[in-house]
Amino acid sequence: KAGVTQTPRYLIKTRGQQVTLSCSPISGHRSVSWYQQTPGQGLQFLFEYFSETQRNKGNFPGRFSGRQFSNSRSEMNVSTLELGDSALYLCASIPGGSSYNEQFFGPGTRLTVL
Amino acid sequence: AQSVTQLDSQVPVFEEAPVELRCNYSSSVSVYLFWYVQYPNQGLQLLLKYLSGSTLVKGINGFEAEFNKSQTSFHLRKPSVHISDTAEYFCAVINAGNNRKLIWGLGTSLAVNP
Repeated sequence: KAGVTQTPRYLIKTRGQQVTLSCSPISGHRSVSWYQQTPGQGLQFLFEYFSETQRNKGNFPGRFSGRQFSNSRSEMNVSTLELGDSALYLCASIPGGSSYNEQFFGPGTRLTVL
Repeated sequence: AQSVTQLDSQVPVFEEAPVELRCNYSSSVSVYLFWYVQYPNQGLQLLLKYLSGSTLVKGINGFEAEFNKSQTSFHLRKPSVHISDTAEYFCAVINAGNNRKLIWGLGTSLAVNP
């Protein structure tokens, strides 16, 4: 089975721009979670989608948004980028509907905001 | 509110020595506990998890962890480490009730030296 795919792997943007990151979960997994990872803050939960519905949301500003498509692929969007948005963005694919299950992580998208 | 504290940000150790990575959590309700490992430039991978039953949990790569409810701890141990165990280790907790958000520790960087 193919693993979790995240594209692009690396991205450089400037302040004020917007960015869209993509995540393809493992085939058959219907739940996707997104995390922001930074050295100072560690892993912070952004949101979780299950069957195209946002099921849970972290404490991030409205500039961060996401969606999930009928094939379970998910995208997250960050508008009006700030320097502090520079981070590794991780997507996790979860089998079934329970967050207690093992989360399978992709390699991440490294976003640098200049 | 739930929180996870990984007591050591960095743990240097020599090859074949034992290691313990400490994790404490705070929660007023029952929790499920996880340890994940992140190798350089990779996503996270589940090492082990505690949901219920025996408090001693065995995971992959020779790691084990013990759930101690009275001390609200979930320390990770390995009796003999290898160079290949050099990685970042994350402890995470999730509310056993309705809250599906995984709360993460800041990570412990394990450096195994020859």
